[in-house]
Amino acid sequence: GQNIDQPTEMTATEGAIVQINCTYQTSGFNGLFWYQQHAGEAPTFLSYNVLDGLEEKGRFSSFLSRSKGYSYLLLKELQMKDSASYLCAVRNNDYKLSFGAGTTVTVRA
Amino acid sequence: GAGVSQSPRYKVAKRGQDVALRCDPISGHVSLFWYQQALGQGPEFLTYFQNEAQLDKSGLPSDRFFAERPEGSVSTLKIQRTQQEDSAVYLCASSLARGDKGRTEAFFGQGTRLTVV
Repeated sequence: GQNIDQPTEMTATEGAIVQINCTYQTSGFNGLFWYQQHAGEAPTFLSYNVLDGLEEKGRFSSFLSRSKGYSYLLLKELQMKDSASYLCAVRNNDYKLSFGAGTTVTVRA
Repeated sequence: GAGVSQSPRYKVAKRGQDVALRCDPISGHVSLFWYQQALGQGPEFLTYFQNEAQLDKSGLPSDRFFAERPEGSVSTLKIQRTQQEDSAVYLCASSLARGDKGRTEAFFGQGTRLTVV
């Protein structure tokens, strides 16, 4: 089976930094994805990691350690529009994405 | 179209009624996925198509659920004799290449929110 854990909720102040952790135990690994989902909207792709290390993309960065089954998504210079749910998803050896339950981030002024 | 389009956006069905949910993927996308998302949860895999071939239907909860993609583009998810536990958002996603290829991100539609009363 697949087990993907991430915190349920996080709150941060506008302009601050927030780190969302994701740990996983899956049968096979072929990449880890982070998606952003605003309420009632489609999940939108943020980042992809398949090798260990940090991937930086503007205000968002994602880190992966395969040996530890661990990833994090780092959001810098938080803006109000960043309030959303952030989904960690692991692709197995085939094509299937297994998602965590999502972390709801609330950005306060 | 510019993105993945799903219709209807909202569907209310009486228990026992049959429903059909439509997905228009991005033109040219080979892979198509259906996911089910319960409130406050992440999406759960239902089924996967590569062109018109349904390669995996292991996530379909019961034989009341049926999906097809006859011409390798538009897909329909059909639920027969709906039950209250079928209430959820049904998300469709498509990707350009085969699902197992590298950074093959999936583009999601906005979903159909199904409520069974």
